[in-house]
Parts: sequence; C-alpha cells; structure tokens
Amino acid sequence: DGGITQSPKYLFRKEGQNVTLSCEQNLNHDAMYWYRQDPGQGLRLIYYSQIVNDFQKGDIAEGYSVSREKKESFPLTVTSAQKNPTAFYLCASSIRGSNYGYTFGSGTRLTVV
Amino acid sequence: GENVEQHPSTLSVQEGDSAVIKCTYSDSASNYFPWYKQELGKRPQLIIDIRSNVGEKKDQRIAVTLNKTAKHFSLHITETQPEDSAVYFCAASDPLTGGGNKLTFGTGTQLKVEL
Repeated sequence: DGGITQSPKYLFRKEGQNVTLSCEQNLNHDAMYWYRQDPGQGLRLIYYSQIVNDFQKGDIAEGYSVSREKKESFPLTVTSAQKNPTAFYLCASSIRGSNYGYTFGSGTRLTVV
Repeated sequence: GENVEQHPSTLSVQEGDSAVIKCTYSDSASNYFPWYKQELGKRPQLIIDIRSNVGEKKDQRIAVTLNKTAKHFSLHITETQPEDSAVYFCAASDPLTGGGNKLTFGTGTQLKVEL
C-alpha cells in the first residue's frame, strides 16, 4: 500500500530539547516537503528537498533542520532554538515537476510541556 | 515570493446550496493551482486542481475557475452535503530552478454545511 507515513502521531517536548519527526514515503517521489500548520495561518513551508542530498529553506526555517540521505526519508528536527514549536507538522511528497500536487502524511502534533 | 490570499475564512451554507471560495495570488509565474480538503484532525486531501492553460475544470459537484489576468481562482461546490463540511485550502505553485515546484497555501476556509 503506497503512501507517506509520519511518526509519531503525538509528541511532547520539554523546554530546551531537540526532537526529530519522522517522514517516510514509498511513492518513489523525488520531492519532499515539511509544513507547519497553526490555527488561522494555513500551511507554512519549513524546508523542502527536490532530490537526495539537497534541501532548501522555506519561509519559516529558523529553529529547524532536515536531512535527505535517502529518497524515501526526510526527517525534521525541531531544535531548542525554535521559540514556539507547538503546532501540527505535515510532511508531503510529490513528483518532481511544476504541475503536480502533493500527497500528505497524517501529521505529527508537537506540544511543548 | 508568492503570496496567496483566501476568502472567506468561514462559510456557512444550508444543505443543497452552493458554496464559493475565492483566492488571489501574486506571482504571475505560478502555473498550477490545487485545492485541498482537510477534515478535522486528518491530512489535507487533493480534491481538484487546474493548470494555467485552462480556464475552468469540473469534477461532479466541484468546479474550479482560473482568471490568469486578474490572478484569481475560485472553488465552487454545488448541492452541498454535510460531508462537505471541512477546511478547504487553495494553493499556488512556484516553479523552481531544476524543474520542481513548491506550493504556497492560502489560510483556509472553514465550510460548514447545515441541515
């Protein structure tokens, strides 16, 4: 069953901790993306990667880091430098090209405690 | 970069009525415009999309129109049903060097279909 899987579904972070959100896809998509969703603000782009071993900052990259060592995987680390990390995080993938929509994962809800 | 504005932020209609959601974009280079539906606590799902060489596209009760000159596009849902209640997002595609794209999303419309 092809798709994109995010884990964990819920994550709690203490102040000053780094946490890593997992995103794995078996759709053979080249491009992968991380978005943050806050109420009333839609989806904002954190990082994206068009190809293995390459990634670019999105609109709100500060306090986040990513890696793309494998085509299937695009993990996101929320560092202690991210001042307001509580949000719903969505990973997506797509065929590389200008006219293709995204397939989204089911999301990870991160809460700072 | 691209900026997408979406209106209204909330929309309440009676079952069977039509619903219209409007979006504007800023970058004339954008060439692909998808719409996503997100039910509470779930992932966004692509429901319809339109490319810049087309002015209108329909899929059963859903249609999207695009006016490239005015840089706006709209989602039309006819004969609304309670299961249409969700948050709807429009998006515009920024072509990237190397052939990829990235989507800029609107802020979403909460549609409520009342019985």
